[in-house]
Amino acid sequence: QVQLQESGPGLVKPSETLSLTCTVSGGSISSFYWSWIRQSPGKGLEWIGYIHNSGITNYNPSLKSRVTISIDTSKNQFSLKLTSVTAADTAVYYCARRAGYYDSNGYHGDLFDPWGQGTLVTVSS
Amino acid sequence: SSDLTQDPAVSVALGQTIRITCQGDSLTTYYASWYQQKPGQAPVLVNYGKNNRPSGIPDRFSGSRSGNTASLIITGAQAEDEAEYYCNSRDTSGNHLVFGGGTKLTVL
Repeated sequence: QVQLQESGPGLVKPSETLSLTCTVSGGSISSFYWSWIRQSPGKGLEWIGYIHNSGITNYNPSLKSRVTISIDTSKNQFSLKLTSVTAADTAVYYCARRAGYYDSNGYHGDLFDPWGQGTLVTVSS
Repeated sequence: SSDLTQDPAVSVALGQTIRITCQGDSLTTYYASWYQQKPGQAPVLVNYGKNNRPSGIPDRFSGSRSGNTASLIITGAQAEDEAEYYCNSRDTSGNHLVFGGGTKLTVL
């Protein structure tokens, strides 16, 4: 079955760029949408954005000016870059596969499955 | 205001039924997906769409929708169901995805 694994620095300095990679194993990265989701300590889940291997992206409006999600189909990986980080960006970052839910009337929703285990990124000097 | 609203906390007696709700205007158009998260673990999809369960999810987890409210129903709650539950769907514009604030379920 498909498995996802996040990797990247666990500590980033304020004002610098957070960079994470998600490696997909057990299946091809093509033909699906791939997403980043984060969770600040003790808080709820926040959707960051997603990408399709065609290059289509969709970002959370609150983060859009600082976020770039890219994909490397040759490595079966996709990546997150978040610029100008502050302490508020300290969180566990998850990668997940996003799929659409369709019924006889067409598209009617989204789902995230599976998820990576998550990686904690702390923003601190 | 949040696009998807959940009660912060609910409780249920062991073996009883609990309904966890998620309210939002987008839910009149889009179905919700539901995630269970236990402390220190990644979220797990437990229900999505009209009422679909991924493989391996017990059939005591079911989903429904009425108007602008989606519900996750746990019939015969077990101790291992104690967790945080999040709904997900589209935002009010329909253009982006959003999570509800989460509901902490306590099994008494």
